[in-house]
Amino acid sequence: KNEVEQSPQNLTAQEGEFITINCSYSVGISALHWLQQHPGGGIVSLFMLSSGKKKHGRLIATINIQEKHSSLHITASHPRDSAVYICAVKRGTDKLIFGTGTRLQVFP
Amino acid sequence: EPEVTQTPSHQVTQMGQEVILRCVPISNHLYFYWYRQILGQKVEFLVSFYNNEISEKSEIFDDQFSVERPDGSNFTLKIRSTKLEDSAMYFCASERDRTDTQYFGPGTRLTVL
Repeated sequence: KNEVEQSPQNLTAQEGEFITINCSYSVGISALHWLQQHPGGGIVSLFMLSSGKKKHGRLIATINIQEKHSSLHITASHPRDSAVYICAVKRGTDKLIFGTGTRLQVFP
Repeated sequence: EPEVTQTPSHQVTQMGQEVILRCVPISNHLYFYWYRQILGQKVEFLVSFYNNEISEKSEIFDDQFSVERPDGSNFTLKIRSTKLEDSAMYFCASERDRTDTQYFGPGTRLTVL
C-alpha cells in the first residue's frame, strides 16, 4: 500500500468550476507539500503545510493532522491550471514521499 | 527570484556509459536532494546530502550511483554504468533548512539506449 494516496487520479473540469483534490497518508509526518507538475516535467512547490489552512491566490490547501488528510482546492478554475498536482509528505527526515499525482484538465 | 538549475536538460547515452548530471542549488541552501521519475510513475527519492555527506539514500541508490558537491556551488549525481532502467527524469532539489520548502530544478531527462 502506498504511504501517500491521492484522489481522484484524473479530473476534468469546465473553466470556472471549483476543484478539490484529496490526499491521505498513513504515516506520521512533519509537513505536507502540494506540488504542481506541468507537461514539460518541471515541479513547482505550491504549499507546505504542517497544520490548518493556507491560501495563495485561487489556491487553498488544508490539512487535518488527526485524520491524516489534506485537500487542495482551486477556485474559479482556468485552462492554465491544467497540470498534475502532487501531494508529498515529509516524515521528519529530509526526504519527501510522493503520491502518484492527480492529472487535472480544465476546458474552456 | 533564486532558482535551482540543472544541466543538461536532456542526456542520451549508451548502456554501460557513465553520466554526470549537474545541479546548481540556491546559494544559501544547505540541504540537497536527488529524485527521479520514471515515465508515467511517481517521483521517487534517491539521496539527500548535507554538510558534505549523504544523509539518507534509498534502495535505488546502489553502488552505481554517487553524489558530490565538488566546489560549494555544484551538486552532481553520477551514474557509473548506466542501465536501460535508469532512463528517467532526474530532479535536483534544495532547501534552506528542514522546515523550509524544497525547491526543485527543471529536471534532466536521461535516456539510456
